[in-house]
Amino acid sequence: RKEVEQDPGPFNVPEGATVAFNCTYSNSASQSFFWYRQDCRKEPKLLMSVYSSGNEDGRFTAQLNRASQYISLLIRDSKLSDSATYLCVAYGGSQGNLIFGKGTKLSVKP
Amino acid sequence: DTGVSQDPRHKITKRGQNVTFRCDPISEHNRLYWYRQTLGQGPEFLTYFQNEAQLEKSRLLSDRFSAERPKGSFSTLEIQRTEQGDSAMYLCASSLVSKAGELFFGEGSRLTVL
Repeated sequence: RKEVEQDPGPFNVPEGATVAFNCTYSNSASQSFFWYRQDCRKEPKLLMSVYSSGNEDGRFTAQLNRASQYISLLIRDSKLSDSATYLCVAYGGSQGNLIFGKGTKLSVKP
Repeated sequence: DTGVSQDPRHKITKRGQNVTFRCDPISEHNRLYWYRQTLGQGPEFLTYFQNEAQLEKSRLLSDRFSAERPKGSFSTLEIQRTEQGDSAMYLCASSLVSKAGELFFGEGSRLTVL
């Protein structure tokens, strides 16, 4: 079983739609979680951290459910520029490294 | 530009040759990571340093791979006796220990093994 699992998509949505991605992690000792964004042929960039109480940054909302070991990302009012691959990341536990999921591809159409 | 820089950006080599990649992290960052990424996959952890100490290596990192960070600044990743399966994008990232989940990635070094 992969440590961090995501639905690879693609998610094809029209502009203005609301879209949600889920991610599950297997290491219950993981301490912190993040969403990264990766544009085609570019390096990953941090989108937002995921806090236990949930957090929002503009149109983006991230939530963590430790009991079920999943993380979610909600994007409201999708823009064409949101088209990218979204990577779920778990950090900590017995390892000091960050474990990335395979990513979920989002394509926002006009 | 004070971001993470990697060199070379592209490398084409023949199977069996050795290659070396260099990464210059953000100067005040004490953690440095190496990841490998292939098409359609997320970044796969290889190894990381805190200052000059190599704290963790992936089980996937065969003995043909070696990484160093001799003075706690730049790092090198060497692949000996390259194989076609080594073809990938090699990504370097750095962070502060206090913000260990907030990685800043370089643009990567793309390796093609013929």
